[in-house]
Amino acid sequence: AQTVTQSQPEMSVQEAETVTLSCTYDTSESDYYLFWYKQPPSRQMILVIRQEAYKQQNATENRFSVNFQKAAKSFSLKISDSQLGDAAMYFCAYRSARGSQGNLIFGKGTKLSVKP
Amino acid sequence: ETGVTQTPRHLVMGMTNKKSLKCEQHLGHNAMYWYKQSAKKPLELMFVYNFKEQTENNSVPSRFSPECPNSSHLFLHLHTLQPEDSALYLCASSQVGPNNGYGYTFGSGTRLTVV
Repeated sequence: AQTVTQSQPEMSVQEAETVTLSCTYDTSESDYYLFWYKQPPSRQMILVIRQEAYKQQNATENRFSVNFQKAAKSFSLKISDSQLGDAAMYFCAYRSARGSQGNLIFGKGTKLSVKP
Repeated sequence: ETGVTQTPRHLVMGMTNKKSLKCEQHLGHNAMYWYKQSAKKPLELMFVYNFKEQTENNSVPSRFSPECPNSSHLFLHLHTLQPEDSALYLCASSQVGPNNGYGYTFGSGTRLTVV
């Protein structure tokens, strides 16, 4: 079974600085998708960024980028120029590309605080 | 209205009450999910519906009863709950298909307090 591990329960960053959140996963599959979700105090889980395992190029969405290391099964999220609104829980998630196995598997989350 | 809508946003109920949580998605997705999120615990997948058929029930107690009358609506019926059932209940939808390339779209959740 696939698992997702986020080893940092809490992280803190100064406003305008850069922070990296770690995520590792375990799978025997070669084709899958990886996601980072943000859950602010408003509670709604919002998709931040997604990565297709068959693409070597790291995904980027504005200030958010990932470092995808397929061989190492690592999928870290980098937030550049951190803003107060980035404070939230961040969840890493895995999804098999096989239709019948397509439930999202979440890590336990990392709570990010942003200091003004 | 677009996205995934959950009602009510907050719910306080006694242990002998019966209540229902509602979820509606306007995205044309073919799968819907119920998650439980408790403080200091990982997200717990409760139920999965694909094409209105329940495909997963992760050992959820029978006091939680899901219903999916069509691909756009999902309910969670609650009865004789326990205080430890107090949590945030999240609904999500997604498109399940040949490659599962997209993530889930979540609602804002129902904060449930059992007294």
